[in-house]
Amino acid sequence: QLQLQESGSRLVKPSQTLSLTCAVSGGSISSGLYSWSWVRQPPGKVLEWIGYFYSGTTYYTPSLKSRVTFSVDKSKNHFSLRLTSVTAADTAVYYCTRGDCTTGVCPLDYWGQGALVTVSS
Amino acid sequence: DIQMTQSPSSLSASVGDRVTVTCRASQSITNYLHWYQQKPGKAPKLLISAASSLQSGVPSRFSGSGSGTDFALTISSLQPEDFATYYCLQSYITPFTFGPGTKVDIK
Repeated sequence: QLQLQESGSRLVKPSQTLSLTCAVSGGSISSGLYSWSWVRQPPGKVLEWIGYFYSGTTYYTPSLKSRVTFSVDKSKNHFSLRLTSVTAADTAVYYCTRGDCTTGVCPLDYWGQGALVTVSS
Repeated sequence: DIQMTQSPSSLSASVGDRVTVTCRASQSITNYLHWYQQKPGKAPKLLISAASSLQSGVPSRFSGSGSGTDFALTISSLQPEDFATYYCLQSYITPFTFGPGTKVDIK
């Protein structure tokens, strides 16, 4: 059974960098059949897809593109998110997810439990 | 970006009721539409992919329909564990976008 687990700093000061890592177990992030995404959800608000890497390509949502970077460590089977210059608006639960692209439509089928990151001084 | 809208934004229903939630895309997304259930403090759970494919382990009272721009999630007989918020997601074009959610609570 695939499992994803987020880890990283849960309290970040304004203007600093948010860093999270998603450890994947029960499956390989090297498989070209799956995409690996980050999604966030501010408290009480809706879900926002941040971006993904898939088949050698990385895509970031335009509203965050200037501040976000994904990285992948295949040897450790984990992937990471960095978001720079954070503000209170970046306070959210951050989820890492897998997209099942075996049939082409890529639903996000496995999710981590989520990591609440608070931006506050 | 493709905009996703859902209606209603919330609804109150009783156990045993038939409930339908709709999702509309701002342009055609063929069948690249997925439905999620989210309970407080939990990650979203995939119920239906590709508009109408029920995920393994999801009760058959859940069903999805639609294509193009208009989609629906139906719960044929609402159960106590179904009270939650439901979201649609399009994966047709990046950036992927979620609907604003429909909260289903107890009447």
